[in-house]
Amino acid sequence: GAVVSQHPSRVICKSGTSVKIECRSLDFQATTMFWYRQFPKQSLMLMATSNEGSKATYEQGVEKDKFLINHASLTLSTLTVTSAHPEDSSFYICSARDSGSNGYTFGSGTRLTVV
Amino acid sequence: AQTVTQSQPEMSVQEAETVTLSCTYDTSESDYYLFWYKQPPSRQMILVIRQEAYKQQNATENRFSVNFQKAAKSFSLKISDSQLGDAAMYFCAYRSKTSGNTPLVFGKGTRLSVIA
Repeated sequence: GAVVSQHPSRVICKSGTSVKIECRSLDFQATTMFWYRQFPKQSLMLMATSNEGSKATYEQGVEKDKFLINHASLTLSTLTVTSAHPEDSSFYICSARDSGSNGYTFGSGTRLTVV
Repeated sequence: AQTVTQSQPEMSVQEAETVTLSCTYDTSESDYYLFWYKQPPSRQMILVIRQEAYKQQNATENRFSVNFQKAAKSFSLKISDSQLGDAAMYFCAYRSKTSGNTPLVFGKGTRLSVIA
């Protein structure tokens, strides 16, 4: 089945630094990538939607200059958390739409801790 | 905007017994998708079952089945012969069919415990 590889699975960074999270579709073309954030014991909250070759569309309240999304190819999308602060600590999950099957596949998530 | 409500934050079931998780949603659309996802401690999202709104027949996947009541906007998940590995967070989700790029809208989740 469709697989989305998400890296890193865990990352600890210092306040003020930037962290890049990658999601790569291994056996299908991901025309659309959705980025979610999940706080402990809570649901997934959509942060942004990115289409290959286009600028991402951010949900209300999500700072686009802080959470930079790049979707330059049909198999790779990245989320960069810039100037990270402790309140950015969270679990980030990507979900890719397979244009062939119209199915959505999730990455395994990234646990970000900002110290 | 569509909303999904899961009114049971936590549920528990004895091993081998049956449990039903509730989900209601609000939408003005007539055709859409509904899903149940399982999130075990690994936090990997796993698709359990999917239902298309225009299909009247309830979806089933082995021990998992749904009771889809379109008029009532209800979409419950029944797990039969519960196993220890079923313990996880379960999320109900809605997806519009208005375009090909609509995101999933999730409920708040139900944490299911399975008692041996």
